Amino acid sequence: RKEVEQDPGPFNVPEGATVAFNCTYSNSASQSFFWYRQDCRKEPKLLMSVYSSGNEDGRFTAQLNRASQYISLLIRDSKLSDSATYLCVVNRDDKIIFGKGTRLHILP
Amino acid sequence: GAGVSQTPSNKVTEKGKYVELRCDPISGHTALYWYRQSLGQGPEFLIYFQGTGAADDSGLPNDRFFAVRPEGSVSTLKIQRTERGDSAVYLCARAGQDGEKLFFGSGTQLSVL
Repeated sequence: RKEVEQDPGPFNVPEGATVAFNCTYSNSASQSFFWYRQDCRKEPKLLMSVYSSGNEDGRFTAQLNRASQYISLLIRDSKLSDSATYLCVVNRDDKIIFGKGTRLHILP
Repeated sequence: GAGVSQTPSNKVTEKGKYVELRCDPISGHTALYWYRQSLGQGPEFLIYFQGTGAADDSGLPNDRFFAVRPEGSVSTLKIQRTERGDSAVYLCARAGQDGEKLFFGSGTQLSVL
């Protein structure tokens, strides 16, 4: 079993819609959590950290459920420019582990 | 990008050859990470350095892979006797001041023919 699991998608979503991605992690000793965004043929870039209390950055909301070992990302009012692969990331003792990513296509 | 320079950007080699991939982060960052990414996959952890030492090399796939960081800045990933399955993008990242947010270079696309 992979340490970080994501639905690979693709998610095809009309512009303006709300979309949510989920991610699960297997090691309860994981300490911190992130979402990264990766555009086609580019390097990953940090989107946001994920905190237990939930956190928001503009149209993006991230949530962590430590009991269920589950992380989510919600994108509201999706834009064409949100089309990318979203990578769920877990830090366990400074070993930073990426999920396979979820592909999102925003449709005009 | 993001204060990490990787060279070369593309490397084509023949099966069985030796290659070196270089990562040059901006100064002052002790933690440095190497990942390998195949098409359609997420970045796969290979190794990370704290200063000059490899703090965790558990992701190196086998003993053909080796990485060094002799002066705590530039790092080199070395692959011996390359195989076609080694073809991938090799990404290097520096950790930010908090030690865990990563900033990636543009990667080296390795193609083994």
